[in-house]
Amino acid sequence: QKEVEQNSGPLSVPEGAIASLNCTYSDRGSQSFFWYRQYSGKSPELIMFIYSNGDKEDGRFTAQLNKASQYVSLLIRDSQPSDSATYLCAVNNAGNNRKLIWGLGTSLAVNP
Amino acid sequence: DGGITQSPKYLFRKEGQNVTLSCEQNLNHDAMYWYRQDPGQGLRLIYYSQIVNDFQKGDIAEGYSVSREKKESFPLTVTSAQKNPTAFYLCASSASTGLAQPQHFGDGTRLSIL
Repeated sequence: QKEVEQNSGPLSVPEGAIASLNCTYSDRGSQSFFWYRQYSGKSPELIMFIYSNGDKEDGRFTAQLNKASQYVSLLIRDSQPSDSATYLCAVNNAGNNRKLIWGLGTSLAVNP
Repeated sequence: DGGITQSPKYLFRKEGQNVTLSCEQNLNHDAMYWYRQDPGQGLRLIYYSQIVNDFQKGDIAEGYSVSREKKESFPLTVTSAQKNPTAFYLCASSASTGLAQPQHFGDGTRLSIL
């Protein structure tokens, strides 16, 4: 059973702090990794994707990938109350590139 | 603006009734997907299609049917055989290239039972 694991949270951080969200995956052949943000009652929206080991930065967001340890993380710098949402991690199914394996998400609360 | 349009936003189904959820995209994406999301659960794949006139079952296809007659459109029918259809239904699309591409979502349809 291919799985993606996330801490359900809630993760609570003060405004302006760095929020660190983690995701581990079991399919060693996975090559594509995605982070989505989902506000309550809304659909998921793509934040970042990463294919290569290392860090990828986009504004206040940094994705970090370590394939050897099979984890991917998302850092949110200068967290804002508007960042309060559920963050979903998704990883491609190595046996079927068109399918993603989804984590259950981590709930983030940024406190003013 | 390019995007994915799902309609209706809310839908109510009577006992024994089939209902169809619409999904249209103008992103020129080859692949389209239908997911179901229940409270406290992750996204579960119902059906997906990589190309026109072809589609594959996902993890929870029973009680659902789809068609892909046009690249832009991927409607989902929730049949009377689906005994627990109340959920948030999400349509997504992605480009088809070598590496798995990001999936982009519509705003979703909430289906409830009358």
